[in-house]
Amino acid sequence: AQSVTQLGSHVSVSEGALVLLRCNYSSSVPPYLFWYVQYPNQGLQLLLKYTSAATLVKGINGFEAEFKKSETSFHLTKPSAHMSDAAEYFCAVTVTGAAGNKLTFGGGTRVLVKP
Amino acid sequence: GAVVSQHPSWVICKSGTSVKIECRSLDFQATTMFWYRQFPKQSLMLMATSNEGSKATYEQGVEKDKFLINHASLTLSTLTVTSAHPEDSSFYICSARGVAGYTFGSGTRLTVV
Repeated sequence: AQSVTQLGSHVSVSEGALVLLRCNYSSSVPPYLFWYVQYPNQGLQLLLKYTSAATLVKGINGFEAEFKKSETSFHLTKPSAHMSDAAEYFCAVTVTGAAGNKLTFGGGTRVLVKP
Repeated sequence: GAVVSQHPSWVICKSGTSVKIECRSLDFQATTMFWYRQFPKQSLMLMATSNEGSKATYEQGVEKDKFLINHASLTLSTLTVTSAHPEDSSFYICSARGVAGYTFGSGTRLTVV
């Protein structure tokens, strides 16, 4: 079975500073990995996804993530935080053909952006 | 892009009544739909997976008689919370899986009083 661990339930960054959100996964087969953002009382919006193509994935709103198989990681970064980046971020994993391809989510990381 | 419409956005109901939540994929056919529950400041917990025309597969610990899921077509799935009680109050989110991947609805805030 696959699983995801997000290190740090809360991250506080200054506006303009680097945003780094950590995600480590566990999977016995090659995974598909995702990062989602959630604003209060809303659903999830896809930021980016890794599907076994390029290991460095660029997403929306200036975010990117790098798949590192040796470290079983898929950390999310953004060079310069904006106030609008304050939200909850979820890393998720799935594998093809298994149990209906359901997504398994990490615990989430809440990002606070200080002016 | 792929859009999933979830209604209602919020609902307040009396204890003992039933509530139906709809999840529609507007511009694509969803081979599979998923229903999640989210408690405050927590992650999403998968409740069940449904495929069009077949019975839903519930996760361990989820009462299938309380949370009825119907996936009548490739674009519509419904979750009915039967005989709702205050402990069923939560944020429910659906997700539809199509060719482009997973798309989430905007969620439904259920409050049972």
